[in-house]
Amino acid sequence: GQNIDQPTEMTATEGAIVQINCTYQTSGFNGLFWYQQHAGEAPTFLSYNVLDGLEEKGRFSSFLSRSKGYSYLLLKELQMKDSASYLCALTTSGTYKYIFGTGTRLKVLA
Amino acid sequence: DGGITQSPKYLFRKEGQNVTLSCEQNLNHDAMYWYRQDPGQGLRLIYYSQIVNDFQKGDIAEGYSVSREKKESFPLTVTSAQKNPTAFYLCASSGRDRGIIVFGQGTRLTVV
Repeated sequence: GQNIDQPTEMTATEGAIVQINCTYQTSGFNGLFWYQQHAGEAPTFLSYNVLDGLEEKGRFSSFLSRSKGYSYLLLKELQMKDSASYLCALTTSGTYKYIFGTGTRLKVLA
Repeated sequence: DGGITQSPKYLFRKEGQNVTLSCEQNLNHDAMYWYRQDPGQGLRLIYYSQIVNDFQKGDIAEGYSVSREKKESFPLTVTSAQKNPTAFYLCASSGRDRGIIVFGQGTRLTVV
């Protein structure tokens, strides 16, 4: 089966940089996704990694190491609106299932 | 604009009643999904469908049923057999390439 681990909560200061880690165990890795979810709302897509390395998108970057079963989401120049949960999800070959981690609740303080 | 529409946004039902949550997409996606989210928790997969007239159980299918008669539609019925139905329900879809999964706005179901 698949297993995804993320820290439950993190706190950071406005303007700072924060790194949210995600480790996973799976066979037949296909892709890893990061989603942002504000309280009471649906998740929205942030980033997608298929190959090892860093994907950069404005203030958000995501890194993947398939050999280590490890990914992180890097948020730069934190803003108050970045206070949300960040969900790590993966897909595996041979199935259309998307498996989500329990999410990391990020609080950005002024 | 393409997207996924879930209705209604809020739903209240009495215990013991079945209730059906609607999900429609116009993204021409092959696969559709239903997830459940409880307060402070992650997303748990209820059912998913890769093609019309076919669907598979997810991790928590007991007490739920689905149908996929049209590519655009994937309704979820929460039956009276579901012990704790109060939750936030999210419908989603993805293309054949299993790229980005797109979510509807969600339906918050409260059973009293």
